[in-house]
This record gives sequence, C-alpha cells and structure tokens, in this order.
Amino acid sequence: AQKVTQAQTEISVVEKEDVTLDCVYETRDTTYYLFWYKQPPSGELVFLIRRNSFDEQNEISGRYSWNFQKSTSSFNFTITASQVVDSAVYFCALSEDQGAQKLVFGQGTRLTINP
Amino acid sequence: IAGITQAPTSQILAAGRRMTLRCTQDMRHNAMYWYRQDLGLGLRLIHYSNTAGTTGKGEVPDGYSVSRANTDDFPLTLASAVPSQTSVYFCATGEEGGTYNEQFFGPGTRLTVL
Repeated sequence: AQKVTQAQTEISVVEKEDVTLDCVYETRDTTYYLFWYKQPPSGELVFLIRRNSFDEQNEISGRYSWNFQKSTSSFNFTITASQVVDSAVYFCALSEDQGAQKLVFGQGTRLTINP
Repeated sequence: IAGITQAPTSQILAAGRRMTLRCTQDMRHNAMYWYRQDLGLGLRLIHYSNTAGTTGKGEVPDGYSVSRANTDDFPLTLASAVPSQTSVYFCATGEEGGTYNEQFFGPGTRLTVL
C-alpha cells in the first residue's frame, strides 16, 4: 500500500530564513510520481511540482528547490530566503503509474513565516 | 467557466438529509476525482472516474456515490449525511495515463453536517 508521511505538523520561522519540509513515502511500485501542493489561507490547492520515479535530478525553481532521494524514499522541499507569502499548508503526494492517477497525500505541514 | 467549478461553496446540512455536491470542468480532462480534506489527515480520495461512463472507489468511499454521465460533470452524492462527513470536499481533474500527471483542483466545498 502507498503511504506518504509528513512528520512536521507545523513549522514556524522568521522571514528570510531557509526552511525544509520533509516528505517520506512508501510504495511497492517501481514507477510512481511525487508531487508538492501548496494550500494558502484562501484554501485553494496550488500545484508546485511533479517528479517521476526515474528522474532523481534535483530541481530548483526560484527560491524553491526539491531533493528527491530514492535511497531514503524522500522528496524534501526547501524554501530559501522565506517570505511571509510562503505561509501556507504544504502537501506532499504520491501516485502510481497505473490507470487513474489517484493521489495519496501526506498529512500536510503548516508553515508560518513571521515578519 | 474557467477551470473547475464546485457548488455550493459551503453548506450546513442536517444529518440524514441527501446532498449532492456539484463539480464541473471546462478543460476536457478525462479523469476526475473527489477528495475530502480533514485536519491532520490531509486529503483522501473518495471516488474517481477515468473517463465518462466509468467510476471507481477510492480510499474512503462509504456513504458516497458518484456518476459520470459526460466529460464535464462529476457530482458527488451523500445519500444520508452523517456528522463524520463534515469536511472540505475538493474536486480535481487530470489527464489519465501517460506522462501528463498533474491534477487540477477546484476551490472546494465546505460541508457541515449537524
């Protein structure tokens, strides 16, 4: 069975600090996809990134970066020089490559950036 | 219509009542999904549909039913609502299969069952 664990329930940092959100996953599939979504206080879910299991190359997008390590089944998300607008709940998710791409979500990490 | 719309935005419902949450998309995506979001549990899949005319059960399907008569609409019905169905419900769409694997989410429906 698939499972995604985000052990950090809440994180609070001061603006401009770097922060890493952890995500550990479990799956028996060799082909799978990992995602990060952002849910700001307004409630909508905003897609951030998708990574497939064959691509372990880390990715950087502006202040955001993702570290995918199959050896530890982790897909961590780092925000560099955090800003107040980064305050949100962040979800890591996993889907198999079989039929409908059903997402299994982690519990979410509430990130608060204080000015 | 732009993207995914859900109706109603919020609803307070008496236990035992029947309720249908509506979801409509204009992106012509094959796959549609219903998730519920509960504090501390993230989002959990209720039902999904690979394509019009087909549906499947997700992680928490009990007490819910869906139909997919056409590509654009995917209503979720609570036949007899119970307080444990109090949640925020998200509809999502995506392209089934292949490498295009992003799911797009609607704005959500906040449902309270008393």
